Amino acid sequence: DTEVTQTPKHLVMGMTNKKSLKCEQHMGHRAMYWYKQKAKKPPELMFVYSYEKLSINESVPSRFSPECPNSSLLNLHLHALQPEDSALYLCASSQRVASGGGSEQFFGPGTRLTVL
Amino acid sequence: AQRVTQPEKLLSVFKGAPVELKCNYSYSGSPELFWYVQYSRQRLQLLLRHISRESIKGFTADLNKGETSFHLKKPFAQEEDSAMYYCALSSNYTLTFGKGTLLTVNP
Repeated sequence: DTEVTQTPKHLVMGMTNKKSLKCEQHMGHRAMYWYKQKAKKPPELMFVYSYEKLSINESVPSRFSPECPNSSLLNLHLHALQPEDSALYLCASSQRVASGGGSEQFFGPGTRLTVL
Repeated sequence: AQRVTQPEKLLSVFKGAPVELKCNYSYSGSPELFWYVQYSRQRLQLLLRHISRESIKGFTADLNKGETSFHLKKPFAQEEDSAMYYCALSSNYTLTFGKGTLLTVNP
């Protein structure tokens, strides 16, 4: 399997709901990422996991909570979101995080999130 | 801090014409640069990486350290090349994207 998969494809939630986004890769990559992408804008980095440990949190509000249960899975738990959090949430993975060969990132198709 | 600049938000060419998407970067170390493409309703895909010096779908990109540029070129554009193109710089756990150029290839 040479792809990053994400579920669900679409999610609509209210501001009081709790939901989770799921990302999976079976390429043996040891770095995984969450990005937020608004329409016609580049992806904005949210979190970086390296060897299942959180390496970077780009000052993301605590209503977004990442989790890396194992080397193939990455979750993003959502709670008490705001309408402005509506966006496409992308997951990516790479062999490793350091510069040099193997740091290129491969992206999933994203979860389109709408917060009402 | 690193920065990636794509000066053209929109670029429109006719089929068969040459196309060049500009990318300039600012980075104090040795850069690792990529081009990503996002076709309509499809995932963001890696198109080129500077270290491999390859040609994908007829596109090439050369790193010019003197001009701090990594422009994407194709001699003869095709309609299926219409997409959003992002230049990106990799350093220390992060990928810094430019704002993107929306390329439209007209018939």
